[in-house]
Amino acid sequence: DTAVSQTPKYLVTQMGNDKSIKCEQNLGHDTMYWYKQDSKKFLKIMFSYNNKELIINETVPNRFSPKSPDKAHLNLHINSLELGDSAVYFCASSQGRGREQYFGPGTRLTVT
Amino acid sequence: GESVGLHLPTLSVQEGDNSIINCAYSNSASDYFIWYKQESGKGPQFIIDIRSNMDKRQGQRVTVLLNKTVKHLSLQIAATQPGDSAVYFCAEAQEGAQKLVFGQGTRLTINP
Repeated sequence: DTAVSQTPKYLVTQMGNDKSIKCEQNLGHDTMYWYKQDSKKFLKIMFSYNNKELIINETVPNRFSPKSPDKAHLNLHINSLELGDSAVYFCASSQGRGREQYFGPGTRLTVT
Repeated sequence: GESVGLHLPTLSVQEGDNSIINCAYSNSASDYFIWYKQESGKGPQFIIDIRSNMDKRQGQRVTVLLNKTVKHLSLQIAATQPGDSAVYFCAEAQEGAQKLVFGQGTRLTINP
């Protein structure tokens, strides 16, 4: 059973399009995160939700909008995609904040 | 500001040897540290963590050492195996902080 799952695993789209990535965790955790990993493998947090409440919103363009319909789900919607958005996006979850996090398999987004 | 960095971006070791991956951190207020392993095409996987009230913690074939005086963290892997080939990340967090701050990552390659 996958603890943190993401869909899709690969996403190829053109500039200007709008796309969504979905994340679900079945660990019963109360906190979920979105990270962006660039081509140099650097992991940077984008957002975090605790009990459906946004608690971290790093310096991310407002084209990125997270949505947490419940504690087990955290989706990421991206408007007007740009070439620089190409990266691998990871969802993660934890029980409590800022501690041991469990990561999903990632979504590789390619914007052409 | 916060920063977590690694001394070496790549490390190559012989199979069966011990590996040591180093990490320097700059935030003396950090009280929690964690190591992740990321295999190609997968999400980061938790290896081991340590709190600042400890200077050593052991797991299965892995040991984490924390030197708060020089703000240095290391991960030791005993009897390195081919399956240990991956990128290794250290991350830090402060008490009450909402997030982990990740370092750059070290690529570990195992030579047969």
